[in-house]
Amino acid sequence: DADVTQTPRNRITKTGKRIMLECSQTKGHDRMYWYRQDPGLGLRLIYYSFDVKDINKGEISDGYSVSRQAQAKFSLSLESAIPNQTALYFCATSDLTSGSGDEQFFGPGTRLTVL
Amino acid sequence: KNQVEQSPQSLIILEGKNCTLQCNYTVSPFSNLRWYKQDTGRGPVSLTIMTFSENTKSNGRYTATLDADTKQSSLHITASQLSDSASYICVVPSGAGSYQLTFGKGTKLSVIP
Repeated sequence: DADVTQTPRNRITKTGKRIMLECSQTKGHDRMYWYRQDPGLGLRLIYYSFDVKDINKGEISDGYSVSRQAQAKFSLSLESAIPNQTALYFCATSDLTSGSGDEQFFGPGTRLTVL
Repeated sequence: KNQVEQSPQSLIILEGKNCTLQCNYTVSPFSNLRWYKQDTGRGPVSLTIMTFSENTKSNGRYTATLDADTKQSSLHITASQLSDSASYICVVPSGAGSYQLTFGKGTKLSVIP
């Protein structure tokens, strides 16, 4: 987990506020991902990026936006937070050229509560 | 639709006992299957990755099996420890890219003294 860090780890906000979650990695991986996890559900992909100039929508991108500021940094924004965006958010990284064969490595997560 | 189903949803066992978690998948084409361990409040950590040609793979007290014909996998934990208490998630890459993962909902394991 130390190779992939997320800030903040916990955040409580109000409906309508803009929120940014940040992810940094020291693994040197090209690929980065944002997922959300809800109780009783599997992780779902929000956005993914294969390099700084390549950003793609995932399964549930509505209400979210992302920015890949550098190879090591990938931020997730909620432009106007709503209560059903309350969830645990995970950043992950992977690299096809590494020995792990595109295995994804996850950060420690950010618990977001929208009131 | 690609799906990964896990059972049981939750499990409580005594410390020192063995247990087996199940995963059934309907993902095509199949390339590999992964088991992750997720401690409460932490990110998932990979336990093992099994490719199409592998039937059994061990990682310490964890042993994963794969039957590609029946599309089933199991994770066997031997001599459980309190630190094994976690959710165990079965994950199968789907779609054309290895990055597209279908996650199971996980099995929540509680090991009690």
